[in-house]
Amino acid sequence: QSALTQPASVSGSPGQSIAISCTGTSSDVSGYNYVSWYQQHPGKAPKLMIYDVTRRPSGVSDRFSGSKSGNTASLTISGLQAEDEADYYCCSYTTSSTFVFGTGTKVTVL
Amino acid sequence: EMQLVESGGGLVQPGGSLRLSCAASGFIFSNYWMSWVRQAPGKGPEWVARMKQDGSEKYYVDSVKGRFIISRDNAKNSLYLQMNSLRAEDTAVYYCARVGYGFDIWGQGTMLTVSS
Repeated sequence: QSALTQPASVSGSPGQSIAISCTGTSSDVSGYNYVSWYQQHPGKAPKLMIYDVTRRPSGVSDRFSGSKSGNTASLTISGLQAEDEADYYCCSYTTSSTFVFGTGTKVTVL
Repeated sequence: EMQLVESGGGLVQPGGSLRLSCAASGFIFSNYWMSWVRQAPGKGPEWVARMKQDGSEKYYVDSVKGRFIISRDNAKNSLYLQMNSLRAEDTAVYYCARVGYGFDIWGQGTMLTVSS
């Protein structure tokens, strides 16, 4: 199972919106509505930001939103803030009853 | 407070074995699938294994099949990962994670280093 493909880095200025893509295959991303997104700050455990493609856990800012089209899922961060600077990973359920994470995207707030 | 606390990491020689533990608190452990996820230094997370509430279903990433065994003790609110035939590429921080809607609760992780 190959890792899902994400851009290595994305940057934006405070207040701007950015989008992070996550490309998989028919065996994972497009096969199920079980894509989740995680934020990870250095030295910390990942934190769930989006689950089931578009749903936000309680306590996560509504500046974070998710979507999916075909084999590609996306995480959008609107109104970018300094605290959003972190690594972001997508994750999908697969046809093998396993999970696969993305390659990761470093978000930089300029 | 819902919490997961891993333990058992350390330095192991190639070919050796180690068992990781994860203690759960603050939620009904027996109601959830549970997973192990690892993260090699400087790399992204890699899903390793998951186990159904009653232990009747277990799934593994191909790279650990036949070497790692996931287990749980619902009476002790604990998840385990028995790791055998360890390789240098198994070096990572190992997290246990609750499988709710997504991996919704994570522990702080325990470090495994496989080196001679």
